[in-house]
Amino acid sequence: DVQMTQSPSSLSASEGETVTIICRASQSISSYLNWYKQKPGKAPELLIYGASTLERGVPSRFSGSGSGTEFTLTITSLQPEDFATYYCQQTHRIPGSFGLGTRLDI
Amino acid sequence: EVQLVESGGGLVHPGGSLRLSCVGSGFTFNSVWMSWVRQTPGKGLELVANIKEDGSDINYADPVRGRFIISRDNAKNSLYLQMSGLTVDDTAIYYCATTGYDILTLESWGQGTLVTVSS
Repeated sequence: DVQMTQSPSSLSASEGETVTIICRASQSISSYLNWYKQKPGKAPELLIYGASTLERGVPSRFSGSGSGTEFTLTITSLQPEDFATYYCQQTHRIPGSFGLGTRLDI
Repeated sequence: EVQLVESGGGLVHPGGSLRLSCVGSGFTFNSVWMSWVRQTPGKGLELVANIKEDGSDINYADPVRGRFIISRDNAKNSLYLQMSGLTVDDTAIYYCATTGYDILTLESWGQGTLVTVSS
């Protein structure tokens, strides 16, 4: 199975700042990498697929990059609604494993 | 607007069975792969099973293969997960989800249903 490792596991930031979350795959997954956002008590929601394509309705302050084994999610100009937990997921190989998440706090 | 509503969760003893259901609306149900995903505080998110539009192709995660059965009834816009041989490790919130970009990308999610396996 492809193992996904996210770092950091948590980070603190303030409104208006820029943050970057890293996701590493245990083997090359090309660009088959998604990012999800989850607020407490809610289901995850898809933010980015194919490593860099924003899902419709996702603000442009979110961006994704990377290929192969290393990927980043960058959020610029943090807004209050961005404080949540973020997960990466590889879709190169079934069953599409997830990272353990990065909790973004104020 | 896509809506997915899960039901069927609850408390079950180890070794027991449970059947989860998910009803979809706001999209063409018979045109998308559907998935069940579970989430636990300890293990995080895990794609449990998914099923092709017509039910002709199915994938299972290793921990549930042979114990869980995913199925769908397109006439009823419904997705099911029959779970048997449940263990405490199956305790989780179970979500149904539509697929998008590829068969493993989870585009829209339901609100989830809690399954607790405990004696």
